[in-house]
Amino acid sequence: RKEVEQDPGPFNVPEGATVAFNCTYSNSASQSFFWYRQDCRKEPKLLMSVYSSGNEDGRFTAQLNRASQYISLLIRDSKLSDSATYLCVALPTGTASKLTFGTGTRLQVTL
Amino acid sequence: DTGVSQDPRHKITKRGQNVTFRCDPISEHNRLYWYRQTLGQGPEFLTYFQNEAQLEKSRLLSDRFSAERPKGSFSTLEIQRTEQGDSAMYLCASSFGTGGDKLFFGSGTQLSVL
Repeated sequence: RKEVEQDPGPFNVPEGATVAFNCTYSNSASQSFFWYRQDCRKEPKLLMSVYSSGNEDGRFTAQLNRASQYISLLIRDSKLSDSATYLCVALPTGTASKLTFGTGTRLQVTL
Repeated sequence: DTGVSQDPRHKITKRGQNVTFRCDPISEHNRLYWYRQTLGQGPEFLTYFQNEAQLEKSRLLSDRFSAERPKGSFSTLEIQRTEQGDSAMYLCASSFGTGGDKLFFGSGTQLSVL
């Protein structure tokens, strides 16, 4: 079983739609969580950190449920420019930035 | 450009050949990481350096792989006797300090082993 699991998609949504991605992690020692965005043939870039209290950044909201070992990302009012792969990432306790990535969920926003 | 720089961007080689990739981190960053990403997968950790010391290596890093970071600046990743299964994107990242929100990735080196 992978340490971080995601639905690979693709998720095809019209512009303006709200879309949610889920992610589960198996290592209960994981301390910190993040969502990274990766455009086709480009490097991953940090989208946002995920906190137990929830974290919102504009149209993006991330949530962490430690009891269920579950992370989510909600994108409201999708834009064409949101089309990308969204990587769920865990950082286990005691590691120095040894990130564990999920396979990524591909989002395609259409007109 | 003051970001993480990787060279070459693309490398095509024949099975059995040796290849070397270079990574130049952001200048004030003391930590440097190598990841590997295959099609349809997320990046997988290979190794990381704090300054010139290699502090951790993944079991993915077989004996054919070696990484160095002389003088704590740029780093090289060498793959000896390449195999078709080595075909992947090799990503370098750097950070100052720890934390998953502090990594900056380079554009990667795409390796194709024929």
